[in-house]
Amino acid sequence: VQLVESGGDLVQPGGSLRLSCAASGFTFGSYSMNWVRQAPGKGLEWVSYISISGTTIYYADSVKGRFTISRDKAKSSLFLQMNSLRAGDTAIYYCARDSGTYSGLDYWGQGTLVTVSS
Amino acid sequence: DIQMTQSPSTLSASVGDRVTITCRASQSISSWLAWYQQKPGKAPKLLIYKASSLENGVPSRFSGSGSGTEFTLTISSLQPDDFSTYYCQQYHSYLLTFGGGTKVEIK
Repeated sequence: VQLVESGGDLVQPGGSLRLSCAASGFTFGSYSMNWVRQAPGKGLEWVSYISISGTTIYYADSVKGRFTISRDKAKSSLFLQMNSLRAGDTAIYYCARDSGTYSGLDYWGQGTLVTVSS
Repeated sequence: DIQMTQSPSTLSASVGDRVTITCRASQSISSWLAWYQQKPGKAPKLLIYKASSLENGVPSRFSGSGSGTEFTLTISSLQPDDFSTYYCQQYHSYLLTFGGGTKVEIK
């Protein structure tokens, strides 16, 4: 199992960024997925969830209305479209696989750094 | 949202010590709790799920217990590789929430 995030960058406040997570080593279309972030020196914060079919989606209040999660089964990829970025969104963003058996987040990517600063 | 409170936030211990970390939920989450270990610069690693089930490949010195609102992670004999930060996480709700973390330091 491998999850590889990309797309992190330095962006100005108010800007946009699209993160990607390429999945391999398992049947991507059989698992729900999540984004979790970690601000520098801080704890973990769950960001968003998408179901296997993509029809059930949840967001943390802190990003609702600004971020959009999506997935592409054919490309075995997970995405996070981030708009209206704020300084408080600065963090390492991890994609994480939902075990699917009510057993937590069993695989994580290495993360991609998003820095929001002027 | 369900709030998760971990204690202590920092713990100083020696190799061979028995270590216990506590996690409290703001409402009952049954046994829908996971524990993760995170080393500096690395992604979190799942240790325990369903409050007390050990993830494959995790050493048996790690154990979890509890249900409802109070949970514990215990390391029976602390090893050098265990000096890390530990997080609890509830998945009773799809709005997942993590505890603030417990850093286990060398005494």
